Amino acid sequence: DIQMTQSPSSLSASVGDRVTITCRASQSINNYLNWYQQKSGKAPKLLMYGASSLQSGVPSRFSGSGSGTDFTLTINSLQPEDSASYYCQQSYSIPIAFGQGTKVEI
Amino acid sequence: QITLTESGPTLVNPTQTLTLTCTFSGFSLSTSGVGVGWIRQPPGKALEWLALIYWDDDNRYSPSLKNRLTITKDTSKNQVVLTMTNVDPVDTATYYCAHTQGRVRGVPNWFDPWGQGTLVTVSS
Repeated sequence: DIQMTQSPSSLSASVGDRVTITCRASQSINNYLNWYQQKSGKAPKLLMYGASSLQSGVPSRFSGSGSGTDFTLTINSLQPEDSASYYCQQSYSIPIAFGQGTKVEI
Repeated sequence: QITLTESGPTLVNPTQTLTLTCTFSGFSLSTSGVGVGWIRQPPGKALEWLALIYWDDDNRYSPSLKNRLTITKDTSKNQVVLTMTNVDPVDTATYYCAHTQGRVRGVPNWFDPWGQGTLVTVSS
């Protein structure tokens, strides 16, 4: 089974900052990597798919990169509404695996 | 517009069977490529994938829970049902269902959108 490890588990940043979240797969997953945003008390929302493709309607300050085992989610010019937990998810093989999450506080 | 709504009991006794229903609109589970997955999240913890079913009745389960899970679909009612046997307090979680379109090697591309989730507490 593929394990997904995110870092950091939490971070605190200010409005306007650039934030980077890392996700590492235990084996190569090519670019089969998705990112979700989950605000407090709400369901997860798809942000990025295929490691670097922005889901429709998601602000362009979000970007993703990586391939193989190492991936990053970057938020440029952090906004108050970006306060949430972020999860990576591999879609390379069954069982589907999520990272443990990164909580972003502003 | 695709919407999904989870329903089921809020409180279940240990050892009982939990039955959750996902009722959806805006798509059909008879359309090629479409699937519905179940994912859960214990309070304050990470997301955990449980099961999924595709339009062609291909089912996939989390290996760690496979012996306890059954996923079925009723295309005419636009519903997907997940049953979990022999529940334990560690199964306390918010349970989500989510739509998926497309798969590669049996794996869904991604989950989008998700239902709002239903909190299930396992306790006597």
